[in-house]
Amino acid sequence: DTGVSQNPRHKITKRGQNVTFRCDPISEHNRLYWYRQTLGQGPEFLTYFQNEAQLEKSRLLSDRFSAERPKGSFSTLEIQRTEQGDSAMYLCASSLGAGNYNEQFFGPGTRLTVL
Amino acid sequence: AQKITQTQPGMFVQEKEAVTLDCTYDTSDQSYGLFWYKQPSSGEMIFLIYQGSYDEQNATEGRYSLNFQKARKSANLVISASQLGDSAMYFCAMREGLTGFKTIFGAGTRLFVKA
Repeated sequence: DTGVSQNPRHKITKRGQNVTFRCDPISEHNRLYWYRQTLGQGPEFLTYFQNEAQLEKSRLLSDRFSAERPKGSFSTLEIQRTEQGDSAMYLCASSLGAGNYNEQFFGPGTRLTVL
Repeated sequence: AQKITQTQPGMFVQEKEAVTLDCTYDTSDQSYGLFWYKQPSSGEMIFLIYQGSYDEQNATEGRYSLNFQKARKSANLVISASQLGDSAMYFCAMREGLTGFKTIFGAGTRLFVKA
């Protein structure tokens, strides 16, 4: 399978715990994106990488959130001291280039539930 | 200001009939791209169709067509010959600027196809 993969698919954690999600983009894609989708809403942009450089972070990404893409391949999104409001689907996408015409390919998402 | 507006929270359509899902957008950019995605209950975002702001013809992809009315800032999705498998959430989305990377999504429309 050469699509975008995300692990884990589901994560249940207790409030205050740290969680880390992984995204493996399509192998030749140099752009990687994280989005968050809460119940009943469309996805919201969180952050964007071009190769290993994080070029933009949304204001939604508080200090408890950190994303990395150390070698320009896979990416991790860590949430520290989780809160119930962090419960959402976290979607990763990748693309070969930027621009409003380039298709972003989405992974299946990681669904986080904070108890 | 909301940039993508989908005014239909839910829509019903009879199998084999056509259905139109509404989308209006707001941007001051001359260059932008409009997208429609399908999200089944499994959660993955499936790309359906793309329309560039400079494209003079409406985009079509199989049973999907995009009714692009630039002056009205609308980008409605038309699904012809609906199938039971079309039941899902549908999101209209936009990316602004020639080098845009941030996809802005609407709140979505849930489509129910009746047998």
